Amino acid sequence: GAGVSQSPRYKVAKRGQDVALRCDPISGHVSLFWYQQALGQGPEFLTYFQNEAQLDKSGLPSDRFFAERPEGSVSTLKIQRTQQEDSAVYLCASSLVTGGLYTEAFFGQGTRLTVV
Amino acid sequence: GNSVTQMEGPVTLSEEAFLTINCTYTATGYPSLFWYVQYPGEGLQLLLKATKADDKGSNKGFEATYRKETTSFHLEKGSVQVSDSAVYFCAPPPGGTSYGKLTFGQGTILTVHP
Repeated sequence: GAGVSQSPRYKVAKRGQDVALRCDPISGHVSLFWYQQALGQGPEFLTYFQNEAQLDKSGLPSDRFFAERPEGSVSTLKIQRTQQEDSAVYLCASSLVTGGLYTEAFFGQGTRLTVV
Repeated sequence: GNSVTQMEGPVTLSEEAFLTINCTYTATGYPSLFWYVQYPGEGLQLLLKATKADDKGSNKGFEATYRKETTSFHLEKGSVQVSDSAVYFCAPPPGGTSYGKLTFGQGTILTVHP
């Protein structure tokens, strides 16, 4: 597609429910990032994939958070046993190159998760 | 690692006013610097970038010059419009990474009134 696509756009989950958030990056983009953005805050890094390899998951807040990108394209962020503090917008971004000075990340519109 | 200090908002201006949002950085070497913008209900978009010291990035009437002597990358626009109302983020990639992970501050909320 023309841009990074995320689904669903909005998700309401009951506390304790498991959720799965999907990201379709721009075709051919090697790098994929997940960020969490709480209300009124800037995005915070969660995890990074280079193709199918998860090279950095240092930002995942707990072992309830799990991300995968099995074929190096679509990625899924899964949150188990959701808690109210998980309420946030989850942003996915992809970029064409793996590093260098000119990396530009393209962001999706995000999934707004509300845990009630 | 690299980091930025960004002017906190919110900033409220009238249409056609001059805008400056300050951003200073600390970095090892001279990494690329970016300004991202987030319009209401949207994800982030790259607004402009500068890839080396003394470069000027520009887009949509916005400009920012990568000044190594003052370690600054201030965002400016000569005449803002209502449609510029958004949250603006200054971001460097952390030093030492090979994949361009971005670190964002809280951002600066800009509201432009007619």
